[in-house]
Amino acid sequence: AQTVTQSQPEMSVQEAETVTLSCTYDTSENNYYLFWYKQPPSRQMILVIRQEAYKQQNATENRFSVNFQKAAKSFSLKISDSQLGDTAMYFCAFMKHYSGGGADGLTFGKGTHLIIQP
Amino acid sequence: DTEVTQTPKHLVMGMTNKKSLKCEQHMGHRAMYWYKQKAKKPPELMFVYSYEKLSINESVPSRFSPECPNSSLLNLHLHALQPEDSALYLCASSHPQTGYGYTFGSGTRLTVV
Repeated sequence: AQTVTQSQPEMSVQEAETVTLSCTYDTSENNYYLFWYKQPPSRQMILVIRQEAYKQQNATENRFSVNFQKAAKSFSLKISDSQLGDTAMYFCAFMKHYSGGGADGLTFGKGTHLIIQP
Repeated sequence: DTEVTQTPKHLVMGMTNKKSLKCEQHMGHRAMYWYKQKAKKPPELMFVYSYEKLSINESVPSRFSPECPNSSLLNLHLHALQPEDSALYLCASSHPQTGYGYTFGSGTRLTVV
């Protein structure tokens, strides 16, 4: 079974600062996918970024980037030029690659509540 | 269309009622999922359907009964629920093997009275 650990229950930064959220995971799988999701107070789960484990290049999406260290099983999220709208709960999630016709669900960390102060 | 649509958005039901939650997507995803989320907790996987077949049931009580009538629709039938089943129920869909395009609906907020 996989486990995902987010060690920062809450973080607070000033608007326009850069913030890094940490995530570590444990798995015996070699082929898998990692995700960061944002959940604002509306509770809509919004995909921020997705990383394929077989790709060494770190994924980026505009102000969001990850630092993926496969050997260390670490997958941190960096948010640059933080904005008030970035205030939300952020979940790190793991999904193993499923061969054949199956599919796997996401295993989530407990989340980090990020607050962007004006 | 890049959305997963869930209905109803809110549901209040008694412990003797029977109700259903509905989820629909038109992205061509062949994997669909039900998750349960309690306040201030991460989502917990309940069921996975892949190519319209149930592939994962995470030991969910039988008072929750999933159904996948076709590749675009996913239902969750509810019967004889308990107050502790009150939660946000999230549906999601994705490419089965790779999780590409993993998209969540906005959820149904269920209250059992």
